[in-house]
Amino acid sequence: QVQLQESGPGLVKPSETLSLTCSISGVSISSFYWSWIRQPPGKGLEWIGYVHYSGITNYNPSLKSRVTMSVDTSKSQFSLKLSSVTAADTAVYYCARGNGYNHYWGQGILVTVSS
Amino acid sequence: EIVLTQSPGTLSLSPGERATLSCRASQSVSSSSSLAWYQQKPGQAPRLLIYGASSRATGIPDRFSGSGSGTDFTLTISRLEPEDFAVYYCQHYGSSPSFGQGTKLEIK
Repeated sequence: QVQLQESGPGLVKPSETLSLTCSISGVSISSFYWSWIRQPPGKGLEWIGYVHYSGITNYNPSLKSRVTMSVDTSKSQFSLKLSSVTAADTAVYYCARGNGYNHYWGQGILVTVSS
Repeated sequence: EIVLTQSPGTLSLSPGERATLSCRASQSVSSSSSLAWYQQKPGQAPRLLIYGASSRATGIPDRFSGSGSGTDFTLTISRLEPEDFAVYYCQHYGSSPSFGQGTKLEIK
């Protein structure tokens, strides 16, 4: 059974870096691409990007200058770093499997950007 | 980047009725029909319903069907069940994935 679980700080200060980790189980992290998607409160979904254990990445052009994704195969985890955050980055952040459609999702983690 | 526009914004129907949700792309989606549909209920992650424009994901009831190609896609729910009232998103998953803004399906 494939499971994904996001973890990280729920509160980040403006101008700092948001860092999240997604832990997976039930599947080899090397077998798939892995995605991050976010959803501001009361709004729609926004694709952030995806990563492969080989180092291949693809980021949303609107976020590309601030996003870094990586995979740690030894821990079956992949991560998201978003720098220079503002209140507009407040959202529920989801990790998901795949670089196309996403069949498996984590439950999501709310990250609030506030001083 | 392909922009997806969903209509209507809100759809009010009764259980047992047929629902038709539209997703229009700003340019033609690739020939592989890289278009998916998701259902999202409050406080939950999205649930994949349809991929490849018309293929149902594992475990999805056959009352859900997807169709379309090019720039116009449709999600149809043949007979609404109480648990189908939710927000629905379409997604293009080409080289730069994007989501539509969503259609809220509410009970009339």
